[in-house]
Amino acid sequence: QSALTQPRSVSGSPGQSVTISCTGTSSDVGDYNYVSWYQQHPGKTPKLIIYGVTKRPSGVPDRFSGSKSGNTASLTISGLQAEDEADYYCCSYAGNYIFVFGTGTTVSVL
Amino acid sequence: QMQVVESGGDAVQPGASLRLSCAASGFTFSNYAMHWVRQAPGKGLERVAVILYDGRSKYYVDSVKGRFTISRDNSKNTLHLQMNSLRTEDTAVYYCARLDIYAFDVWGQGTMVTVSS
Repeated sequence: QSALTQPRSVSGSPGQSVTISCTGTSSDVGDYNYVSWYQQHPGKTPKLIIYGVTKRPSGVPDRFSGSKSGNTASLTISGLQAEDEADYYCCSYAGNYIFVFGTGTTVSVL
Repeated sequence: QMQVVESGGDAVQPGASLRLSCAASGFTFSNYAMHWVRQAPGKGLERVAVILYDGRSKYYVDSVKGRFTISRDNSKNTLHLQMNSLRTEDTAVYYCARLDIYAFDVWGQGTMVTVSS
């Protein structure tokens, strides 16, 4: 199972919106509504910020939103803040207890 | 407070064995599938192995099949990963993670495994 494809980096100014894409195949992203997103600050543990494509766990700001179209899922961060500077990973269920992570995207706040 | 705490990481030579452990608390451990996810230095995340809630079913990424064994003791709320025939490419931080609604919602702080001659 190949890793899902994400852009290496995205950047934006405070207050702007940025969107991270996550491209898979019809066997993972395209076949299941089980895409999740994780935020990881340097040297820290990954944190779940989106599950089930669009759902936010309790405590995650509503600035973070998820969507999916076909084989591509997306994470949008609205009203970018300095603390959003981190690495972001998507993950999709691919059947048979297989989970595939994305290649990771570094978000920079200019 | 739900948490998992990993231990057992070390620096070893290629071909050696290690056993990682993960102690869970704050939730009903026996109700959840548990996973090991690793992250090589400067690299992305990779799901290594999963064990279902009752321990009867286990699945592994191809690169560790036949070398790693995942197990759990629901009476002690612990998860293990026995790693044999370690290779340099197994060098990574190993995280224990709980799966809920097809997402990894509880992560430990990770334990570092270094395989080097």
